[in-house]
Amino acid sequence: EDQVTQSPEALRLQEGESSSLNCSYTVSGLRGLFWYRQDPGKGPEFLFTLYSAGEEKEKERLKATLTKKESFLHITAPKPEDSATYLCAVQGAAGNKLTFGGGTRVLVKP
Amino acid sequence: SAVISQKPSRDICQRGTSLTIQCQVDSQVTMMFWYRQQPGQSLTLIATANQGSEATYESGFVIDKFPISRPNLTFSTLTVSNMSPEDSSIYLCSAGYQETQYFGPGTRLLVL
Repeated sequence: EDQVTQSPEALRLQEGESSSLNCSYTVSGLRGLFWYRQDPGKGPEFLFTLYSAGEEKEKERLKATLTKKESFLHITAPKPEDSATYLCAVQGAAGNKLTFGGGTRVLVKP
Repeated sequence: SAVISQKPSRDICQRGTSLTIQCQVDSQVTMMFWYRQQPGQSLTLIATANQGSEATYESGFVIDKFPISRPNLTFSTLTVSNMSPEDSSIYLCSAGYQETQYFGPGTRLLVL
C-alpha cells in the first residue's frame, strides 16, 4: 500500500526566512509525485509533478526536488502570500489514484 | 490545465437525507475522481468515476452510501446518502488531464 508522510505538520516563518518541507513516501512503482497548494476554503491547486529521482522543478519562490525515498519543497525568501497548506501525493504503478500526505501548514509572518 | 466547477459550494443538511453534488469539467477527460477531506485532515479517495460503467470504490466506501454517476466525459455526480453528522466534510471532485489531476473548489457539507 502506498504511503506518504509529510513533515513538519506546521511551520511558522518570518518573511524572507527560507525553509524546506519534507515528503517521505513508499510506493510500488512511482509514476509521479505531486505537490499542491491549498488555501483555506479552496480546492488544492496544482504546483509540480516530479517523475524520477534527481528531477527538480521551480516556480517563483518554490523549488521541488525528488529522491528515491523523499521529496522536498524549498521555499526561498517567502512572502505572506505563500501562507497555505502544502500537500504531497504519489501516484503508483497500480493505477491512477493519488495517495496524499497529511500536509504542512505554512504561515509566513510579515 | 482543466477548470473544474462544483455545485453546490456548501450545504447544511438534516440527518437521514441525501445530497447530490455535481462536478463539471471544461474539457473532455478520461478520469474523474471523488475525494473526501474531513476537517483538518488530508484528502482520501472515495472512488474513481468511470464513464459508461460502474464507479470503482476504495476500501471503506460503498456504492449504497456514495452512488456516483458519470454520463459523459465532462460531468459526474456524487450522492451522499442517508447522511449522518459523521458525513460532515469537504467533498472534492478531480479530473485527470495531461498526466495531472486538477481539483474543483470543493463542496462543504454540514450534517445536523
